[in-house]
Amino acid sequence: AQSVAQPEDQVNVAEGNPLTVKCTYSVSGNPYLFWYVQYPNRGLQFLLKYITGDNLVKGSYGFEAEFNKSQTSFHLKKPSALVSDSALYFCAVLTDKLIFGTGTRLQVFP
Amino acid sequence: DTGVSQNPRHKITKRGQNVTFRCDPISEHNRLYWYRQTLGQGPEFLTYFQNEAQLEKSRLLSDRFSAERPKGSFSTLEIQRTEQGDSAMYLCASSSMVGTLNPYEQYFGPGTRLTVT
Repeated sequence: AQSVAQPEDQVNVAEGNPLTVKCTYSVSGNPYLFWYVQYPNRGLQFLLKYITGDNLVKGSYGFEAEFNKSQTSFHLKKPSALVSDSALYFCAVLTDKLIFGTGTRLQVFP
Repeated sequence: DTGVSQNPRHKITKRGQNVTFRCDPISEHNRLYWYRQTLGQGPEFLTYFQNEAQLEKSRLLSDRFSAERPKGSFSTLEIQRTEQGDSAMYLCASSSMVGTLNPYEQYFGPGTRLTVT
């Protein structure tokens, strides 16, 4: 069965520091991987996706993610965190539908 | 492009009552999805349509749940005889696999929060 795992419930980082939110996947065949962000009382917003091609994917709001086939990972990164990045982040894999991880709450402190 | 809209945004109902939610997708999108999200969890797939055809239903979708997309445009999700365990955020998303630069991206609405008392 296709699945993704987000091993951290919460990630805390100081503003201006780099951030990483981890995701690993279990997929048969080529994975289609996504990151979404959810702000309080709002729907999910698309950040970026990996379908094929360059392993480093750049997305919205300065976020990027690195696809690593050997480690079956798709970690979300940002070089310099902002307080406004504080939100709930979901990794997902696409089959005919999206299968989401349990989410990681990112808290950026001033 | 006005995005995906959902109505109502909030619904409070008593156990045993029926509720219906509506989703209006992005107009040119041929796929429409329903997900359910409970507190502290990621969204879980319920069902999806391609045009008016319902192509897949999750085992989470008990026989109390029914979804329709009668003309391949908006969709409704009905829950009959609601139970407290149905309390959740119901999310709708749409996508297009044809004629778009972004064939795999699903665009989500703001959700309908259901509280069953």
